[in-house]
Amino acid sequence: EDQVTQSPEALRLQEGESSSLNCSYTVSGLRGLFWYRQDPGKGPEFLFTLYSAGEEKEKERLKATLTKKESFLHITAPKPEDSATYLCAVQARTNAGKSTFGDGTTLTVKP
Amino acid sequence: NAGVTQTPKFQVLKTGQSMTLQCAQDMNHEYMSWYRQDPGMGLRLIHYSVGAGITDQGEVPNGYNVSRSTTEDFPLRLLSAAPSQTSVYFCASSYGSGRAYEQYFGPGTRLTVT
Repeated sequence: EDQVTQSPEALRLQEGESSSLNCSYTVSGLRGLFWYRQDPGKGPEFLFTLYSAGEEKEKERLKATLTKKESFLHITAPKPEDSATYLCAVQARTNAGKSTFGDGTTLTVKP
Repeated sequence: NAGVTQTPKFQVLKTGQSMTLQCAQDMNHEYMSWYRQDPGMGLRLIHYSVGAGITDQGEVPNGYNVSRSTTEDFPLRLLSAAPSQTSVYFCASSYGSGRAYEQYFGPGTRLTVT
């Protein structure tokens, strides 16, 4: 069974204080690993897809990296508008119709 | 494009009532899914579809039915509502076969069962 574990559950940062969110996964052959952002009261919004170990993707202050067992979402010099819940999900090669999500990390950035 | 739309936005049901949550997408996506999200938790897959006429169970299918007669629509039916089904329900769609494609989510339906 595919599993995704995210840590920490919650992270409070000062504006400008860089940090990383972790996503550990177990999947029977990775098709893709996804990062989403979710604002309160809204549906998740896509950030990145990573396909194989060693891959990196960047968007503004966010960088996602992937190893064979985990993914990191690095946040550089965060701003208050980066406050949100960040969700990690995996898809297995055997079933592209199914995604398994972690419980998320809630990030709060204080000015 | 409207993307993924869900109706209603809010719903209150009494235990034992039935209802249908509507989901539609206008992006010609093959794959569609229903998730529920409980407070402080991630998304749990209820049912999913890889094309019109094809559906399958996810992680938490009990108490829910789906059908997919068209590419655009994927309704979720609650057969006999229970307080344990109080949750926020999200519908999502994505492109299909080949590489892994990201999902596009609707705004959610907030359901309370009393």
